[in-house]
Amino acid sequence: DVKVTQSSRYLVKRTGEKVFLECVQDMDHENMFWYRQDPGLGLRLIYFSYDVKMKEKGDIPEGYSVSREKKERFSLILESASTNQTSMYLCASSTGGSVNTEAFFGQGTRLTVV
Amino acid sequence: AQKITQTQPGMFVQEKEAVTLDCTYDTSDPSYGLFWYKQPSSGEMIFLIYQGSYDQQNATEGRYSLNFQKARKSANLVISASQLGDSAMYFCAMIPMDSSYKLIFGSGTRLLVRP
Repeated sequence: DVKVTQSSRYLVKRTGEKVFLECVQDMDHENMFWYRQDPGLGLRLIYFSYDVKMKEKGDIPEGYSVSREKKERFSLILESASTNQTSMYLCASSTGGSVNTEAFFGQGTRLTVV
Repeated sequence: AQKITQTQPGMFVQEKEAVTLDCTYDTSDPSYGLFWYKQPSSGEMIFLIYQGSYDQQNATEGRYSLNFQKARKSANLVISASQLGDSAMYFCAMIPMDSSYKLIFGSGTRLLVRP
């Protein structure tokens, strides 16, 4: 059974903290994605990685960074958490190099910054 | 710019009736893939159906079909014989080839099926 696992389902952090959201996939997928989901805005792409150590900015990268040191793991980093980063964060993975590949999603991390 | 637009924030449908969820897309790439995902209240994202830009026929998967009108750049999802379990958020998404195969989503439509 294919799996994308996010390290936490719920997180509460303080303003100014450095926050790490971890995502691991066991499907040997090239592509990995981080999205944030807010009501009325859908899923907005934060960062995307198409290979180890390769990354591209999505639509809303400000305030975030990512790390992909190993193929199976893609980390989202909030350098200094702010209240406007309170959101649901979804990680996804897919095979690379094609327009017809289904993405597989983690269960989501609901982050609250207080 | 590549973009997905879903203009219906919410929809109601009576159980056992058909419903159409709208999706329009914008890309200049001749090769792209279009997807629909379902997100129930539990939060998981479920892949429903795929349509390729070069596919001649509309995609179908059980009760789901995709009404693909390439000239209008629309990819509407049709759900036939709605069931109570179809109540969920529905997202249209696209992978354009010229974007490093990034997966782009629309804002979603919340569907409520009435008994």
